[in-house]
Amino acid sequence: GNSVTQMEGPVTLSEEAFLTINCTYTATGYPSLFWYVQYPGEGLQLLLKATKADDKGSNKGFEATYRKETTSFHLEKGSVQVSDSAVYFCALSDSSGGSYIPTFGRGTSLIVHP
Amino acid sequence: EAGVTQFPSHSVIEKGQTVTLRCDPISGHDNLYWYRRVMGKEIKFLLHFVKESKQDESGMPNNRFLAERTGGTYSTLKVQPAELEDSGVYFCASSQGPGQDQPQHFGDGTRLSIL
Repeated sequence: GNSVTQMEGPVTLSEEAFLTINCTYTATGYPSLFWYVQYPGEGLQLLLKATKADDKGSNKGFEATYRKETTSFHLEKGSVQVSDSAVYFCALSDSSGGSYIPTFGRGTSLIVHP
Repeated sequence: EAGVTQFPSHSVIEKGQTVTLRCDPISGHDNLYWYRRVMGKEIKFLLHFVKESKQDESGMPNNRFLAERTGGTYSTLKVQPAELEDSGVYFCASSQGPGQDQPQHFGDGTRLSIL
């Protein structure tokens, strides 16, 4: 079956530091890959996505590249801000079983200090 | 456009009691999903409605959980009787279509604590 593995958190950084949150996946089909973000007290929001190999998703300074050869979709940002503090979820979705229900990772908490 | 709303935001009940969670999807969204996240673990799929019909309920943990979506608008998720392991955050999401590239819009979740 499908699965998503994210690096353990929390990740604690100073403002303007470089961020990488690792994500690897296992899928039976050809999935689309997503990063969702959950800010404190809020629901999940789609941050970015990529639908095929070598695609790069980007939004709000965050980027992730769909690497089929390494089955990875690592999230990066060149300079984090305090407002980026949140929980980040990697997810995949494919048509296995006729459904597009996403499979989520465990989430990685990011804490950014001023 | 109003987003997905969930009620209540928090619920604290004792083991053995009943709790009902409610989700109002975005107007016009036929697809409605329930998920649960137990502390520090993955967000797990519970079930998927298309309008009032249950499309997929493979994630429902057991028969203590009952989801309904009468009239194809809002949905309720009832837990009866609640057990300690039911504690977690329950998310609802909605989308226009079920496709791989259709974004799901999430509510803020209901934090359920069973004592």
